[in-house]
Amino acid sequence: GAVVSQHPSWVICKSGTSVKIECRSLDFQATTMFWYRQFPKQSLMLMATSNEGSKATYEQGVEKDKFLINHASLTLSTLTVTSAHPEDSSFYICSASKPSGSNEQFFGPGTRLTVL
Amino acid sequence: QQQVKQSPQSLIVQKGGISIINCAYENTAFDYFPWYQQFPGKGPALLIAIRPDVSEKKEGRFTISFNKSAKQFSLHIMDSQPGDSATYFCAASLYSGYSTLTFGKGTMLLVSP
Repeated sequence: GAVVSQHPSWVICKSGTSVKIECRSLDFQATTMFWYRQFPKQSLMLMATSNEGSKATYEQGVEKDKFLINHASLTLSTLTVTSAHPEDSSFYICSASKPSGSNEQFFGPGTRLTVL
Repeated sequence: QQQVKQSPQSLIVQKGGISIINCAYENTAFDYFPWYQQFPGKGPALLIAIRPDVSEKKEGRFTISFNKSAKQFSLHIMDSQPGDSATYFCAASLYSGYSTLTFGKGTMLLVSP
């Protein structure tokens, strides 16, 4: 199997606070984890790619100081949205790839963030 | 060079009919073409994927057709069911080596009972 979990599944926070989202690969070790953002009725937008033990690679236009990514182990990556604002409200999805060398990605169930 | 164009944007099919979604890519280096199914409020789930060494791959009611010369691939859903109503995304990437998935914009499929 290749199961990826996310926690929490949804979160509501006040503007200015920080929110941490966890992504775990449950039955495999993930070489690489990816973080996506998805707005309603739109496609997935890659935010960043992270490898265990190294700094994340952010896509153009994604603020690395606002979206902090930590990939502390081969089964856990976290995304922290710092000083969240209403425009950060979105569906955040992580995915992970196995150390097999292929680029197959296995997606988590997503986290709905609402910033009031 | 990195775009994947997906059509149609939305599709309504009667139960039992065939749903067809098309994608076209530009980067000739791409050699991995997955299709994802996403239900509202859920993450995408890998449905079926193809590599360029074959022109067609079938898994149950789902078939991918691949045309390398035209740089196009399509998803066919046979005997479409109301439970197939979801958003479908095609994607493309390199199969190995550092590469990220390039997604199409998605197709909202509604299968009417």
